[in-house]
Amino acid sequence: GESVGLHLPTLSVQEGDNSIINCAYSNSASDYFIWYKQESGKGPQFIIDIRSNMDKRQGQRVTVLLNKTVKHLSLQIAATQPGDSAVYFCAESSYYNTDKLIFGTGTRLQVFP
Amino acid sequence: GAGVSQSPSNKVTEKGKDVELRCDPISGHTALYWYRQSLGQGLEFLIYFQGNSAPDKSGLPSDRFSAERTGGSVSTLTIQRTQQEDSAVYLCASSSRFGVGEAEETQYFGPGTRLLVL
Repeated sequence: GESVGLHLPTLSVQEGDNSIINCAYSNSASDYFIWYKQESGKGPQFIIDIRSNMDKRQGQRVTVLLNKTVKHLSLQIAATQPGDSAVYFCAESSYYNTDKLIFGTGTRLQVFP
Repeated sequence: GAGVSQSPSNKVTEKGKDVELRCDPISGHTALYWYRQSLGQGLEFLIYFQGNSAPDKSGLPSDRFSAERTGGSVSTLTIQRTQQEDSAVYLCASSSRFGVGEAEETQYFGPGTRLLVL
């Protein structure tokens, strides 16, 4: 079946460095993607989203890149801070099924001082 | 309210007992979702409500699981005859199909209910 997966289960970075979290998706019909951040003991928190008609979208310290050719999504966090430590999930949906998000298994980001 | 709320935040029950989990979505959101998250895992879709339409129950793992949404707002997820494998965090999310700003598909999550079946 269709699935969303992540290349790296755990990413360790030093405070101040940039972080890149990757996600591969297999449903070529997917046209909407979201990154969520989940801190320990909390529900997922929306970070940024992107539609398939875009290749890049920037937020505050975060950038999402979408490569439809290879069905790859990435989240870049600039100047990573200890507060960025969390599990990050990518999720996808398609125009014809926008109500059902398919989530990846998550990548844990650990930020060291 | 300001966000999605869920209760209880933690629930410990004995195997075989029934449990009810509650979700209060963001006011005005027409769509409501339930997910299950096992320890260290991603989110598993359970059920979805949209307005007055029939719910999408395709993710419910067994007939012991059911959910209702009364008055298009509050939802209750019921697990009957709980089993140890039901232990997980149960997350609720809501979205507005006609929202502005972020995409209308954006789902906003509650803090979850941590269920432990002994």
